[in-house]
Amino acid sequence: AQTVTQSQPEMSVQEAETVTLSCTYDTSENNYYLFWYKQPPSRQMILVIRQEAYKQQNATENRFSVNFQKAAKSFSLKISDSQLGDTAMYFCAFMKPLQGGSEKLVFGKGTKLTVNP
Amino acid sequence: DSGVTQTPKHLITATGQRVTLRCSPRSGDLSVYWYQQSLDQGLQFLIQYYNGEERAKGNILERFSAQQFPDLHSELNLSSLELGDSALYFCASSAGGLVRGYTFGSGTRLTVV
Repeated sequence: AQTVTQSQPEMSVQEAETVTLSCTYDTSENNYYLFWYKQPPSRQMILVIRQEAYKQQNATENRFSVNFQKAAKSFSLKISDSQLGDTAMYFCAFMKPLQGGSEKLVFGKGTKLTVNP
Repeated sequence: DSGVTQTPKHLITATGQRVTLRCSPRSGDLSVYWYQQSLDQGLQFLIQYYNGEERAKGNILERFSAQQFPDLHSELNLSSLELGDSALYFCASSAGGLVRGYTFGSGTRLTVV
């Protein structure tokens, strides 16, 4: 079974600075997908960024980028120019597409990020 | 608005009771997923439906059941409720095929007293 580990329960960063959230996962699969989701105080789960394991190039979405190290099974999220609105819980998630269209997400426990003014 | 609608947003009920949570997926999405988020267990996959059929089951208790209707909306039924069932229940939908991640609803906060 796949597991996802986020070793930083809480982190804080000053506005406009850069912060990196860590995530490691355990799988014997070769084809899979990784995601970062954001959950602000509103509770809504928002997709931040995704990465296909077969792609060597790291995904980037505006101020958000990942460092995907497949051999090390590491998938960290870097937030540049942090904004107050980035304050949220961040969840790393793993998905292995299964035959028949079943695509179950396995989540880590989350990292609570606080951006300070 | 994510396009995934969950009702009700909040629910308070007593132990032993039964409740039904409703989810309408984003237009065009055939898959519906139910997740439970609690403080001690984190986000746990419960069950997936695809175009009306059960596709995958996770850590769903026997007291819980779900179904997906022909119009693709889904209902999660929780019965014989216990204090430990208090949690945030999320529904998510996806189009399947090319993996883009799910689109989540805003959740139903269930409190069992």
